[in-house]
Amino acid sequence: DQQVKQNSPSLSVQEGRISILNCDYTNSMFDYFLWYKKYPAEGPTFLISISSIKDKNEDGRFTVFLNKSAKHLSLHIVPSQPGDSAVYFCAASAMGGADGLTFGKGTHLIIQP
Amino acid sequence: DGGITQSPKYLFRKEGQNVTLSCEQNLNHDAMYWYRQDPGQGLRLIYYSQIVNDFQKGDIAEGYSVSREKKESFPLTVTSAQKNPTAFYLCASSVAELYEQYFGPGTRLTVT
Repeated sequence: DQQVKQNSPSLSVQEGRISILNCDYTNSMFDYFLWYKKYPAEGPTFLISISSIKDKNEDGRFTVFLNKSAKHLSLHIVPSQPGDSAVYFCAASAMGGADGLTFGKGTHLIIQP
Repeated sequence: DGGITQSPKYLFRKEGQNVTLSCEQNLNHDAMYWYRQDPGQGLRLIYYSQIVNDFQKGDIAEGYSVSREKKESFPLTVTSAQKNPTAFYLCASSVAELYEQYFGPGTRLTVT
């Protein structure tokens, strides 16, 4: 049973446009959500996070939106740059986070020139 | 330079052999984690430790063992009981009270 779902295995976006990556979750106990970026054969890099008490968090070109009623979050990247091409993982945690994160399967973002 | 190191980057073993993957961090983080990634899959939690000399099983602990004798170190042993050991293994750490985990570069284990 997959508790965190990223239904788009890949996404192609033109350089300079907005990239929108989506994530759905099923566990109502999740209270913190994170996005990680990963290049092949490397460890994931933390990008941005959001607590369930907020509905938006922004950091430079990256914004995460949380819709608790729909159990849905999205990552917006504006403007998209070639270096943004990578796999993006959505992750979630419940009750303090010290017992590990639950990850989605990832979305491969390809930025086209 | 603070960070998490995993060694080696690539590891090859014969079926039936135990193998230990190294993970060291100098971030002074209390919590450490081991995940496994398979092609087209997300990361799955194997074991985690919130404090020295204590650790808990994650979602896929069968066939693995860990130890946490020092705050800086959290080695993972892949035993011969693990049915599908070939995978990319990632170690992470975090401050105990915070959610953000920071990852090492990973070890790709191939068992033939």
